[in-house]
Amino acid sequence: EVQLVESGGGLVKPGGSLRLSCAASGFTFSSYSMNWVRQAPGKGLEWVSSISSSSSYIYYADSVKGRFTISRDNAKNSLYLQMNSLRAEDTAVYYCASHYDSSGYYRVDWGQGTLVTVSS
Amino acid sequence: SYELTQPPSVSVSPGQTARITCSGDALPKQYAYWYQQKPGQAPVLVIYKDSERPSGIPERFSGSSSGTTVTLTISGVQAEDEADYYCQSADSSGPWVFGGGTKLTVL
Repeated sequence: EVQLVESGGGLVKPGGSLRLSCAASGFTFSSYSMNWVRQAPGKGLEWVSSISSSSSYIYYADSVKGRFTISRDNAKNSLYLQMNSLRAEDTAVYYCASHYDSSGYYRVDWGQGTLVTVSS
Repeated sequence: SYELTQPPSVSVSPGQTARITCSGDALPKQYAYWYQQKPGQAPVLVIYKDSERPSGIPERFSGSSSGTTVTLTISGVQAEDEADYYCQSADSSGPWVFGGGTKLTVL
């Protein structure tokens, strides 16, 4: 069974930093692309960042470019999001999502999310 | 930045057919994906690559594409289908772009 468990959320002051983690199990982590998606309270889904299976390709939404850094450790089956210079508008539930698309097989799985609150 | 446009809300009676649209200029060139999200839960993929249904998703969920618009159709809507639905696609700005979401209300 695929499991994605996010951690590291919490309350942080504007301008502060936070590092989110996503622990993966139940699938071959090193073969999957990984993504961070956030959802502000009462709002829709917003894609944040993606990283390919071998970290060769990395993408960021314009809203976080230059402030957030995505990374992964395939040996530890873990995904990370380093968030710096946090703003009030970064307040959201952050989901990690795994993504596989090859040879006619397509799969996306999501974790349950971790809440990040940016407030003074 | 690229946008996918969905109606904010759709309402149907049980047993009827719900259609949720998503419009975007890149949709003729990029696949669309649909997610269902119930309150307090993570999204669940219900349609991928315009019209494919993941295993475990009921047959009443289907997807179609025509030009710059894709449509999620739920036939014989049930009370349990009440949720927010998001379309997702891609373009040069990023591999994942989401629509604003549509709240499906089952009357």
